[in-house]
Amino acid sequence: QVQLQESGPGLVKPSETLSLTCTVSGGSINNYYWSWIRQSPGKGLEWIGYIYYSGNTNYNPSLKSRVTISVDTSKNQFSLKLNSVTAADTAVYYCARHKPPGFDFWGQGILVTVSS
Amino acid sequence: DIEVTQSPDSLAVSLGERATINCKSSQNVLYSSNSKNYLGWYQQKPGQPPRLLIYWASTRESGVPDRFSGSGSGTDFTLTISSLQAEDVAVYYCQQYYSTPWTFGQGTKVEIK
Repeated sequence: QVQLQESGPGLVKPSETLSLTCTVSGGSINNYYWSWIRQSPGKGLEWIGYIYYSGNTNYNPSLKSRVTISVDTSKNQFSLKLNSVTAADTAVYYCARHKPPGFDFWGQGILVTVSS
Repeated sequence: DIEVTQSPDSLAVSLGERATINCKSSQNVLYSSNSKNYLGWYQQKPGQPPRLLIYWASTRESGVPDRFSGSGSGTDFTLTISSLQAEDVAVYYCQQYYSTPWTFGQGTKVEIK
């Protein structure tokens, strides 16, 4: 059974960079799309972007200028960096596998609060 | 972006009764080349991530009880719970994956009457 686990700081200061890692276990990161999705009370579920195991990426235009998603196949991990964060970026961040069609495996989510 | 709008925002249904949730996309999500609707349904319980219930608008994910069914095509879709059980209390989301940015509906909260 594939399992995903998000890790990273739960508190980030405004204007700094949010950095999260998703570790995939129970299966290979190869041959799938891997996404970051966030959920905040104000905006519901928001897809941030995906990375294919080969490194191809696709980002939500609403965040594209601030987002970088990368993959490390040797560690079965992929990562999210979101820079210049504000309070509006406070949310639960999920990593998920996109097996077209649909996100079939999700991490438990990590709450990231942006506050000084 | 394709906007996805659900209705109602919440509904209360008696145990054993039918629950129906609607989802409307601002653009067609039916791919003519393969005749598939690029729309899915998710269930989210408190403190948990969403769970994929339905994909291709009407195909149940493995392990999903058959009381859950999806229907519709093009821009209008429905998730039906044929006989509501206590464990079905949750928020339900539809999501289009026809084109990026992939987008979700705002969610429909299902409660027991």
